[in-house]
Amino acid sequence: DAKTTQPNSMESNEEEPVHLPCNHSTISGTDYIHWYRQLPSQGPEYVIHGLTSNVNNRMASLAIAEDRKSSTLILHRATLRDAAVYYCILRNTGNQFYFGTGTSLTVIP
Amino acid sequence: DAGVIQSPRHEVTEMGQEVTLRCKPISGHDYLFWYRQTMMRGLELLIYFNNNVPIDDSGMPEDRFSAKMPNASFSTLKIQPSEPRDSAVYFCASSLVRTRLTDTQYFGPGTRLTVL
Repeated sequence: DAKTTQPNSMESNEEEPVHLPCNHSTISGTDYIHWYRQLPSQGPEYVIHGLTSNVNNRMASLAIAEDRKSSTLILHRATLRDAAVYYCILRNTGNQFYFGTGTSLTVIP
Repeated sequence: DAGVIQSPRHEVTEMGQEVTLRCKPISGHDYLFWYRQTMMRGLELLIYFNNNVPIDDSGMPEDRFSAKMPNASFSTLKIQPSEPRDSAVYFCASSLVRTRLTDTQYFGPGTRLTVL
């Protein structure tokens, strides 16, 4: 299964945009890119997903590189409630999600 | 909808005892997943079901672990006998797979298991 690489941790100031990077150089043509986040003491929750085009929803934006070997999750205005571990996951033709170690985001007031 | 429901939320037991974790998926969802999360290994998929049938149990660590889904609204994960290294947070998730690649998994709050 294709793997993803994310920084272990990042910091952001409250009210500022956050760009969370993810590398997936071995992605295949049919892999969708999913992002989930896990708030402290909770189960993971869906954030956004995409295939080739950039995607926007009420939570975030997903920017996908033209070669699809990397992507960036964008939180437009970080709030304290956005402090969580963010997972970048490649969804293949199987039915499994492989969660890596994710990026722990700290939001500074 | 109440979301995915798991019980108990916390379980403390002694080594050698049987432990049963329970999950009620979101109504209408046709996939159910059991995950385990530890500091050392992160979030691991143990087993998943489709329409109550186990599809892939390759993540189940050993024969001490078993999972069942007797109907569409209930699943159990059983550990017998339990060992201290089974201490972890166990998550249940469900999804409705409209298309295989775009489905969203909805996670429960987890069961924190401590085996003494």
